[in-house]
Amino acid sequence: DAGVTQSPTHLIKTRGQHVTLRCSPISGHKSVSWYQQVLGQGPQFIFQYYEKEERGRGNFPDRFSARQFPNYSSELNVNALLLGDSALYLCASSEAGGDEQFFGPGTRLTVL
Amino acid sequence: GIQVEQSPPDLILQEGANSTLRCNFSDSVNNLQWFHQNPWGQLINLFYIPSGTKQNGRLSATTVATERYSLLYISSSQTTDSGVYFCAVEQYDYKLSFGAGTTVTVRA
Repeated sequence: DAGVTQSPTHLIKTRGQHVTLRCSPISGHKSVSWYQQVLGQGPQFIFQYYEKEERGRGNFPDRFSARQFPNYSSELNVNALLLGDSALYLCASSEAGGDEQFFGPGTRLTVL
Repeated sequence: GIQVEQSPPDLILQEGANSTLRCNFSDSVNNLQWFHQNPWGQLINLFYIPSGTKQNGRLSATTVATERYSLLYISSSQTTDSGVYFCAVEQYDYKLSFGAGTTVTVRA
C-alpha cells in the first residue's frame, strides 16, 4: 500500500508570494494533519482535518489555511510568505485523528 | 500546553553499543509515539505506545503513563540507527506535541 504522499518535494518562493502544498493520505485514512518543522526543532502542529472539517488549529497566523477534499486529500495554503516560513512542511494521516499518525516525506519550502 | 522533554539531546555511540533515550511529559496523555527522522526528513514510525512495553527487533520501548515518561532502548546499535529520535504525545485533542529530539550518531 502507498504511504502518505506530498507534493512538491522542494519549493523556492520569494517574500510576499503565496504557496500551496498538497497531501494524499493513506488509503482508508480520513484524517490529515499538517506540521511545520524548522531546522533544529521538533515539528509544530498547524491543522487537523477529519471528514473535511477542521478539528484543530495550532498557534499559527491567519496567513495559514487548509482544506480537505471529498477524497480526503488536503491542501495547505500560506499567503504573504515571510522568511520565517522557510521550513519542512509535513503531512500526517490517521484513520480517525486520535490514533497512530503516519507522516509523508515532507515539502521543503525556502522563502528568499 | 503540555511540555515534552527528551534526554539526552545528543548521543554518540560506538557500533554495537546499547543506549536508552528518555521522554518526560508534563501531563496525562492519550497517545505516545516514537519516531526516527532520517537525513532526508522523513519521520519513520517506531512505536505507538500509550502504555506498556513493545519490542521490534533491536528496538524496544516502555511507557509508564502514571509516571509520565517513556523510554526507547536501542540495542547493538548500527550506523543506520543514526538520526534524530522524536517522542510525540497526544492529549485528547488530536494533535501531536513533539519533544526537541535526541540526535544519535553511531560510529563504525
